Amino acid sequence: AQRVTQPEKLLSVFKGAPVELKCNYSYSGSPELFWYVQYSRQRLQLLLRHISRESIKGFTADLNKGETSFHLKKPFAQEEDSAMYYCALKRNTGFQKLVFGTGTRLLVSP
Amino acid sequence: DAGVIQSPRHEVTEMGQEVTLRCKPISGHNSLFWYRQTMMRGLELLIYFNNNVPIDDSGMPEDRFSAKMPNASFSTLKIQPSEPRDSAVYFCASSPVTAGGNTIYFGEGSWLTVV
Repeated sequence: AQRVTQPEKLLSVFKGAPVELKCNYSYSGSPELFWYVQYSRQRLQLLLRHISRESIKGFTADLNKGETSFHLKKPFAQEEDSAMYYCALKRNTGFQKLVFGTGTRLLVSP
Repeated sequence: DAGVIQSPRHEVTEMGQEVTLRCKPISGHNSLFWYRQTMMRGLELLIYFNNNVPIDDSGMPEDRFSAKMPNASFSTLKIQPSEPRDSAVYFCASSPVTAGGNTIYFGEGSWLTVV
């Protein structure tokens, strides 16, 4: 079964501080991992996906198959990064089914 | 494209009443998903359809919940009778293909409060 764990419900940092939002997954196959972001009262938006290996808004995430992790990182947090962040997993075979973690609220204070 | 469209955006209803949430997926997308978001449990997948056929409804909480997709451009999620614990944000999402690395696009959500 697919499972995504985000151990932190809330992460509070000061502007300019580094940020790491943790995500661990369990899946017997080879998964596809995503990070979605939800700004206040808005729809979820795709932030990045591991197959793209890109940096979006300064955020990066590396898939570590050995540790089954896909942590989201940013070296210098900005106030506008304050949002809810969801890690999600999709198996790469069969029908699409995106399974989300419980989310981490990031609060960046001035 | 206007994206995934959900209605109503907000609904307040009394316990015991029937609630119907509606979704119009992005044109051309053949997968549709209903998610529920709560503070305690985050985002939970309730059900998803492929080509209008329900593929996995294992996330539907109980018989009070039902979902239909009569055609490629419309889906409903119904709760009858509603209970206060059903209060949540219900998201509909769609995706263009059944497999592969395609993005899932979310609607703005329907905020349901059952009093």
